[in-house]
Amino acid sequence: SQQGEEDPQALSIQEGENATMNCSYKTSINNLQWYRQNSGRGLVHLILIRSNEREKHSGRLRVTLDTSKKSSSLLITASRAADTASYFCATDAGWETSGSRLTFGEGTQLTVNP
Amino acid sequence: NAGVTQTPKFQVLKTGQSMTLQCAQDMNHEYMSWYRQDPGMGLRLIHYSVGAGITDQGEVPNGYNVSRSTTEDFPLRLLSAAPSQTSVYFCASSYSSPPGHYGYTFGSGTRLTVV
Repeated sequence: SQQGEEDPQALSIQEGENATMNCSYKTSINNLQWYRQNSGRGLVHLILIRSNEREKHSGRLRVTLDTSKKSSSLLITASRAADTASYFCATDAGWETSGSRLTFGEGTQLTVNP
Repeated sequence: NAGVTQTPKFQVLKTGQSMTLQCAQDMNHEYMSWYRQDPGMGLRLIHYSVGAGITDQGEVPNGYNVSRSTTEDFPLRLLSAAPSQTSVYFCASSYSSPPGHYGYTFGSGTRLTVV
């Protein structure tokens, strides 16, 4: 079963606009990660936020985490055509004694129109 | 370049054949894992390893075997291929488990078709 669920499934915006993607999950987590996947390629790690963190920034990316609502959001500011890709959230319920078990959502397909 | 290398990139198998998907990393990562990606299903964990000699099952382990004899390599074996194993397979690794700031490093994938 999929732990993380992204919303929306697809998002189409114009260059320069902001893109927001949401992720909900069901069980307790150690951390939550966001990945990007360009068509036909592997996944690229974007950002990791731990369960005791509420917000994290990396360049044009801003991630928030609300453990009480079991939800996270990824904001991409000033989007570019090169941001066109699928974005996945992945929850990690693993610990040092048991090993990580990433659980992915189905992803949000982002299209940024020039 | 350092990273996760998967071979082959593409493979077509007949039902009942066996094969091994190779995964190698040169980053001295302790943790390695295998995922399959299917349309509408996201990525699902098949097997993972927290170090040489240690493996464990993920969400969808049936029909697959793994071993970890070295830190660098984590091959995935399909014992008797079935059409349901048609998928894109990704190997991922990280220095620690859970990972640090840089998350997991993924390979470029193996696209497998079973006919």
